[in-house]
Amino acid sequence: TAGITQAPTSQILAAGRSMTLRCTQDMRHNAMYWYRQDLGLGLRLIHYSNTAGTTGKGEVPDGYSVSRANTDDFPLTLASAVPSQTSVYFCASSEGGDTDTQYFGPGTRLTVL
Amino acid sequence: RKEVEQDPGPFNVPEGATVAFNCTYSNSASQSFFWYRQDCRKEPKLLMSVYSSGNEDGRFTAQLNRASQYISLLIRDSKLSDSATYLCVPCGYSSASKIIFGSGTRLSIRP
Repeated sequence: TAGITQAPTSQILAAGRSMTLRCTQDMRHNAMYWYRQDLGLGLRLIHYSNTAGTTGKGEVPDGYSVSRANTDDFPLTLASAVPSQTSVYFCASSEGGDTDTQYFGPGTRLTVL
Repeated sequence: RKEVEQDPGPFNVPEGATVAFNCTYSNSASQSFFWYRQDCRKEPKLLMSVYSSGNEDGRFTAQLNRASQYISLLIRDSKLSDSATYLCVPCGYSSASKIIFGSGTRLSIRP
C-alpha cells in the first residue's frame, strides 16, 4: 500500500499567492494532521481532524485552512502565502486519536518568496 | 518551562558505544509517549511507544519516570545507521490539539 502521500514534493511560491498542499492516505485512518517543521523548532501542529467532517486548530493555525470531506484526503490551503510560511510541511495520520502511532507522509518543502 | 524539552545535541559517539538521552515534559496528564526517528530530509517514523514504565526493543530501551516527568532513550551497541534525530512526544490528553513534539536530539555515530 502507498500509505500516506503528499503533493507536491516541493514548491516555490510568490508571496500573496494561494496554494493547496495535498495529502492522501489509504489506510482508512480516522485522524489526520498537518505539521510544519522549522530548524530548531521541531514539528508544530497546524490543524488536525479526528474524523471525516471535523477539523480542529493546532498550535500554529493562523494563515492556514483545512477541510476533511472524506476519510482519505486532508488538504491544507494557504490563502495568501507569506515568507514566514516557508517550511517543510508534513501530513500524518493515525488510526484513532492522539494516543495512536502517527504515520507521516514524505513532506512538502515550500519556499515563499 | 517548555512543554517538551530535549537536548538538541549533537551527540557524537563511536560505533558500538551506548548512548542515552532524555526528554522532559511538563504536562503531568500525559499518558503515553512516543519516540520517533527522523533521518535528514525525511519524515519521522515511529521508533518506540511507551505506555507504562518502559519498553525494550532489541538495542533500544525507553524508560519513563513519571515522578520526574521524563522519558529516556537508551541505545546499546550503536550502529552507523542509528545516526538520526530522535523526537519525543507525550500524548494521551484526549485532544489532538495538545500534541507537542520535542524539537529533537541529533545523534551522530562515527566509525
